[in-house]
Amino acid sequence: ETGVTQTPRHLVMGMTNKKSLKCEQHLGHNAMYWYKQSAKKPLELMFVYSLEERVENNSVPSRFSPECPNSSHLFLHLHTLQPEDSALYLCASSQGVSGVNTGELFFGEGSRLTVL
Amino acid sequence: DQQVKQNSPSLSVQEGRISILNCDYTNSMFDYFLWYKKYPAEGPTFLISISSIKDKNEDGRFTVFLNKSAKHLSLHIVPSQPGDSAVYFCAASGRFNFGNEKLTFGTGTRLTIIP
Repeated sequence: ETGVTQTPRHLVMGMTNKKSLKCEQHLGHNAMYWYKQSAKKPLELMFVYSLEERVENNSVPSRFSPECPNSSHLFLHLHTLQPEDSALYLCASSQGVSGVNTGELFFGEGSRLTVL
Repeated sequence: DQQVKQNSPSLSVQEGRISILNCDYTNSMFDYFLWYKKYPAEGPTFLISISSIKDKNEDGRFTVFLNKSAKHLSLHIVPSQPGDSAVYFCAASGRFNFGNEKLTFGTGTRLTIIP
């Protein structure tokens, strides 16, 4: 496989469930990201990992917990979510170099989450 | 407060004509701008970018224009083709950011090319 792959593509969960989203990149990149896309809103950056260390957490609620075990894999653990968390969650990767705008993010196809 | 704005949520253009998608930004520290294209059920894909040292960048049918004084950029697609029907996102970043970590996106414009 090539590029950035996300699983599952669709997820329906209740507010008390615990689930995880998985992202894998096969591009040899050193940075990975979670974005949230809600209807009629800009893509919102949630988490950034560079060289497996978290470098940005944009005040995301603790019910979202990221994990980056290595430079190719990124998880988003979900617990006690709210209906308003229903959205498309996009993973991305890049070959980011500190202080240099490489610009190009490679996105996965997204995981469509519905919280009942 | 949205720093990157795409004020037109949708745009319809006849096949073969020019499509012009607009984007405005408020932060004068932004110095690098990108356009992403998104088809349904797929992630966004990078389309074209421009640095603030330029006012135009061209790649085939796609041209991005940057007007720094107006804090405005536009994406021109000519001639428009049915396969161009997608949602287009404008994004911006700056030297105050840490590489890609703080790309700021607009809300997107849905372009429909009418055959």
